[in-house]
Amino acid sequence: TAGITQAPTSQILAAGRSMTLRCTQDMRHNAMYWYRQDLGLGLRLIHYSNTAGTTGKGEVPDGYSVSRANTDDFPLTLASAVPSQTSVYFCATQDDSGGGADTQYFGPGTRLTVL
Amino acid sequence: GQNIDQPTEMTATEGAIVQINCTYQTSGFNGLFWYQQHAGEAPTFLSYNVLDGLEEKGRFSSFLSRSKGYSYLLLKELQMKDSASYLCAVIESNYQLIWGAGTKLIIKP
Repeated sequence: TAGITQAPTSQILAAGRSMTLRCTQDMRHNAMYWYRQDLGLGLRLIHYSNTAGTTGKGEVPDGYSVSRANTDDFPLTLASAVPSQTSVYFCATQDDSGGGADTQYFGPGTRLTVL
Repeated sequence: GQNIDQPTEMTATEGAIVQINCTYQTSGFNGLFWYQQHAGEAPTFLSYNVLDGLEEKGRFSSFLSRSKGYSYLLLKELQMKDSASYLCAVIESNYQLIWGAGTKLIIKP
């Protein structure tokens, strides 16, 4: 099985442009997450979804939006990119059958550079 | 406020033992994870502690003291492939994960 796929692998984007980072899972996990990882900082949660049809804001949601139309897909959209959004973006899933303390599984990441 | 502290970088010798510490101050506690992340790759699960004590899994062990807000990851018989960053993450009372910045472990021959 593929597990979690993310696309694109990397992207260079002009400031002011919009972009959607894609995340697809085939594990049928309820919860999905978007993190950004920057040098010297821990993973920071951007948005999350506990189940299809619901989304929530994480620690750093500004400038980002998400949707969860079905269980498998959780796209992250940057409406108007700024250089501070240069980062590595990880999508993660969680089964949640264990009451919220289950392991999170990560996709391979998208490296985004905003110029 | 929320805070997770780990050393930024550690160096150890192949075949030796290394202990990576993690201290935390969070809003509640529902468990602690350790993840391994090789350069340019995604984090992968290593261990989960929710009760005090030592959890052993092959060459890797993880310890938790909830009263002290402290955990460590112990790596034995170090191999070159263990060169990676090790991330500590705490599950808060609302089940959100708070991540430390990670400890970069460098293994020398």
